Amino acid sequence: SAVISQKPSRDICQRGTSLTIQCQVDSQVTMMFWYRQQPGQSLTLIATANQGSEATYESGFVIDKFPISRPNLTFSTLTVSNMSPEDSSIYLCSVWGEKLFFGSGTQLSVL
Amino acid sequence: RKEVEQDPGPFNVPEGATVAFNCTYSNSASQSFFWYRQDCRKEPKLLMSVYSSGNEDGRFTAQLNRASQYISLLIRDSKLSDSATYLCVVGGDYKLSFGAGTTVTVRA
Repeated sequence: SAVISQKPSRDICQRGTSLTIQCQVDSQVTMMFWYRQQPGQSLTLIATANQGSEATYESGFVIDKFPISRPNLTFSTLTVSNMSPEDSSIYLCSVWGEKLFFGSGTQLSVL
Repeated sequence: RKEVEQDPGPFNVPEGATVAFNCTYSNSASQSFFWYRQDCRKEPKLLMSVYSSGNEDGRFTAQLNRASQYISLLIRDSKLSDSATYLCVVGGDYKLSFGAGTTVTVRA
């Protein structure tokens, strides 16, 4: 199994600002994933973070709104840009190792 | 139609009871099946994988029915600590789809 450190664990942000979420894995992994879980909803994949290339975004998510970095095989960041209250959600990073392992999540509230 | 559908519940059961619930999926090509457990405002954690022949892990039993495209989870001898939301996860390799979860509340 992989140990994933995600921070911040929670934040309260003002409308129009941006927040960068960091995810650190204790081993090298090829693919890291970013999910969003809105209140009472299932997890939705935002994008797959690939090392050495641009992230692959799912339908409904764009790079300008959710820029992702993947500088090496153990680290990734997701930025939520120009936030609005609709971005209030839990954001989760995860890695695949025959199963999906998750970071502890970032609970974001946008005022 | 959603890729993965679950009865949201809640299932309210007394300690010691048996509770079971299903999850249906739409993609017949799905190869990977899991049950995850999620506590309130926490990250999902793998409960068990689901294999074609069905599998058991202590008080938890998972079944897969490919013909009808559903998986099931049965919890025997429920404990208070089993109270959580159970997520059905289906897909191929790393491309996974999540159900919205079934909430189980075990009462003393």
